[in-house]
Amino acid sequence: KNEVEQSPQNLTAQEGEFITINCSYSVGISALHWLQQHPGGGIVSLFMLSSGKKKHGRLIATINIQEKHSSLHITASHPRDSAVYICAVWSQFYFGTGTSLTVIP
Amino acid sequence: EAGVTQFPSHSVIEKGQTVTLRCDPISGHDNLYWYRRVMGKEIKFLLHFVKESKQDESGMPNNRFLAERTGGTYSTLKVQPAELEDSGVYFCASSQAVGVRSYEQYFGPGTRLTVT
Repeated sequence: KNEVEQSPQNLTAQEGEFITINCSYSVGISALHWLQQHPGGGIVSLFMLSSGKKKHGRLIATINIQEKHSSLHITASHPRDSAVYICAVWSQFYFGTGTSLTVIP
Repeated sequence: EAGVTQFPSHSVIEKGQTVTLRCDPISGHDNLYWYRRVMGKEIKFLLHFVKESKQDESGMPNNRFLAERTGGTYSTLKVQPAELEDSGVYFCASSQAVGVRSYEQYFGPGTRLTVT
């Protein structure tokens, strides 16, 4: 069992839909990252958070330390949001397997 | 400001050969990390440098892998001899060190290694 579990593994949405990707972890952490990997492979760090909630444009990330759970929300999804979203925790650097998101116009 | 760069972007070698991957972190970043993603699996941590010192190399799979960061600037990751299971994408990341280990990391584009 992986120390970081993401759901769903694959997600297809219509343009404009509200999207939620979930991340649960089983280890103690100092911070949690949400990463985005586009086709072609480059990884971009979207958020680093250790408590509460952060918002950047149409992206919102929340974390509940007590429940060891984080969510990434995308409002008004767009085809350019199509990518693999990876949850990673910093304590011993554990990564989820990623959620592949496809947004259909 | 230039981001993290990695070279080469793609390397195809035969089993038994040697390959050296290079990572140039963002200037001024003391922390440098190596990660690997094998096809279909999650990204795995390999090691962490603070300047030229290895802070944590618990993720290095075996002694065929050697990482260096002479002078505390760029880093190299050598695989010798390469095996088929070494194929994957090797990512490098860097971050500032302001007394907090989990400071935000900036990732390079990765090196795709294919061992045939």
